[in-house]
Amino acid sequence: DQQVKQNSPSLSVQEGRISILNCDYTNSMFDYFLWYKKYPAEGPTFLISISSIKDKNEDGRFTVFLNKSAKHLSLHIVPSQPGDSAVYFCAASARGSQGNLIFGKGTKLSVKP
Amino acid sequence: GAGVSQSPRYKVAKRGQDVALRCDPISGHVSLFWYQQALGQGPEFLTYFQNEAQLDKSGLPSDRFFAERPEGSVSTLKIQRTQQEDSAVYLCASSLRAGLRTGQYEQYFGPGTRLTVT
Repeated sequence: DQQVKQNSPSLSVQEGRISILNCDYTNSMFDYFLWYKKYPAEGPTFLISISSIKDKNEDGRFTVFLNKSAKHLSLHIVPSQPGDSAVYFCAASARGSQGNLIFGKGTKLSVKP
Repeated sequence: GAGVSQSPRYKVAKRGQDVALRCDPISGHVSLFWYQQALGQGPEFLTYFQNEAQLDKSGLPSDRFFAERPEGSVSTLKIQRTQQEDSAVYLCASSLRAGLRTGQYEQYFGPGTRLTVT
């Protein structure tokens, strides 16, 4: 069973608008969450992260929100740019683990000019 | 500076052949992870090294999979008697730190090796 779920396989957004990517998780032992971005034929690149003791973390155009009671997190990109077009993976790390990440299946974001 | 490199980038193997995939982590990175990414899926954890010690191999799918990092730097993932279901992209990631908070330190991924078993 999937511990990290990204239920939208794809998302299309107009340039300049907000992109919202969603992620749900089931394991209450997760205490750190990360978003990775992946271009074709490249490895995932770290984007932004959040600890379970926070509910928001912001870095430039990227903001991650965490709702622990709902076991839900989201990544907001404002404003969206064509270069943001990529596959976005949500990942989580469990308390007490060696740091291995549990990934969702990814959401393919297309930002149209 | 140099990132994580992996070789070969692409490998085609006939069913039953053995393959070896190499990962060169970022110099000085203590932690090294291997992940397997099947088509349309997210990466799935295979194994973890802290320096030369393999501390977690719970994700290895069968005893045909073997990984080593003998000197605490370069790592090799070996798959014996490859099967079609082994076809995937194999990703290596390294991280500067280790310990119980390893997940809170950024993991740098290599470009992956795409393995196709025919």
